[in-house]
This record gives sequence, structure tokens and C-alpha cells, in this order.
Amino acid sequence: AQKITQTQPGMFVQEKEAVTLDCTYDTSDQSYGLFWYKQPSSGEMIFLIYQGSYDEQNATEGRYSLNFQKARKSANLVISASQLGDSAMYFCAMREGGSGGYQKVTFGIGTKLQVIP
Amino acid sequence: GAGVSQTPSNKVTEKGKYVELRCDPISGHTALYWYRQSLGQGPEFLIYFQGTGAADDSGLPNDRFFAVRPEGSVSTLKIQRTERGDSAVYLCASSLSGAGTGVSGANVLTFGAGSRLTVL
Repeated sequence: AQKITQTQPGMFVQEKEAVTLDCTYDTSDQSYGLFWYKQPSSGEMIFLIYQGSYDEQNATEGRYSLNFQKARKSANLVISASQLGDSAMYFCAMREGGSGGYQKVTFGIGTKLQVIP
Repeated sequence: GAGVSQTPSNKVTEKGKYVELRCDPISGHTALYWYRQSLGQGPEFLIYFQGTGAADDSGLPNDRFFAVRPEGSVSTLKIQRTERGDSAVYLCASSLSGAGTGVSGANVLTFGAGSRLTVL
């Protein structure tokens, strides 16, 4: 089974509008973490936001927020007030494993976001 | 250094040759990861180091792939008898620690710019 599922290969959003990128995950661990990374056409991987499995509040970082629904095992990324520079690939990732020890980080296949002027 | 450095940025080689890809992590980062990213795909886990030891090499596709981190800092990914299917971008990432699920930055992976390998 896929550890991380991103079902939207491509998304379009109008500039200044909000957009939600979907991510579901599969783990039997109680302790895990979820990340979102952005990869522009230049190829660099840019960390956006992190949510720990025990965090009660949804993570927010500027225009980025993570809609964490633990029971549904979903960790959707919401980008508010989209900008042209947001056009990029977005990857959801999960860190899982025993607390205090090594934790593997697995990535999804990504969603390509294009912001339309 | 300020960031994760990967060399070479581009490598073109012929089928059957040996290649080495180098990763210099952020100073003080004990955890180091190697990923492979093919066109249009997400990063695929290869191997993880905690300090000098490979804590998990389950992602290495076969015995042609090997990685070392002898002093717990710089790591080298080695590919023997390269095949055309090895063509990809090889990404290295480091983090302060590979453990825990806290919200601190210690758990964030910082990536290098990648090494693009092309096998002709």
C-alpha cells in the first residue's frame, strides 16, 4: 500500500485565490510527522510546513496551513492568496517510526500547481 | 556550510561506468538521507545515515548501489556498472536529528540542489 497518496496530478488556481492540495497517508504508528515541500522548476526542495501526529492545532506558516484530520488520515495543504511564484510541484511526506529512534521519511508523487494570472 | 552541498551538479557517463556522487551536509546535522527522483516522480528513499552508520539501506535498488559516511559528515553514493535506468536526480538531505516527532526544526530535512546523473 502507498504510504503517501496525492491524487491530484495537476491543479490550477487563479492568482489571489486559495487552493487545497490533497494528501492522505497510511501508517499504523501512533507517533509520526507530516511535511509539505515545494519544488519549483529550478529543482530545489523547499520545506513549507510540518505537523506532528500529537499536535492538536493545525500547523500554519504564513500563507500555508495544514488541514490535519487524523481520523481520516489526511493532511491537506491550504495555500491562501495564491501568487504566481507558488507555481511548482508540491510533495507531501511522512516521517514514521518508533519514538527516540530512526524515522524514515517517505514522499508522495506530488501535485503540480499552476497559478493563473 | 550554510546549506547542503552536492557535487557534481551534473554527471554524464556511459553505461557500465562507475560514478560517485558526493553530499556535504549542514554542519552538525547527524542524520543524512539519499533519495532518487526520476522525471515526474516524487523523491524515492534510498538510504539513511545516523552518524557514520547506515541505519536503513532498504531503498537501495540493488548491490550496484552503495553509500558511505566514514566520518559522520560527508557522504558518497557510489554506483557501479551504471545502467540507463539509473538516470535520475539524486537528492541528499540532512537534518539535525533523524528521531522524534517534535515540532522543532530539528526534524526538518534540508535538501541539496541534487546531482543529475545521465547514463548514455
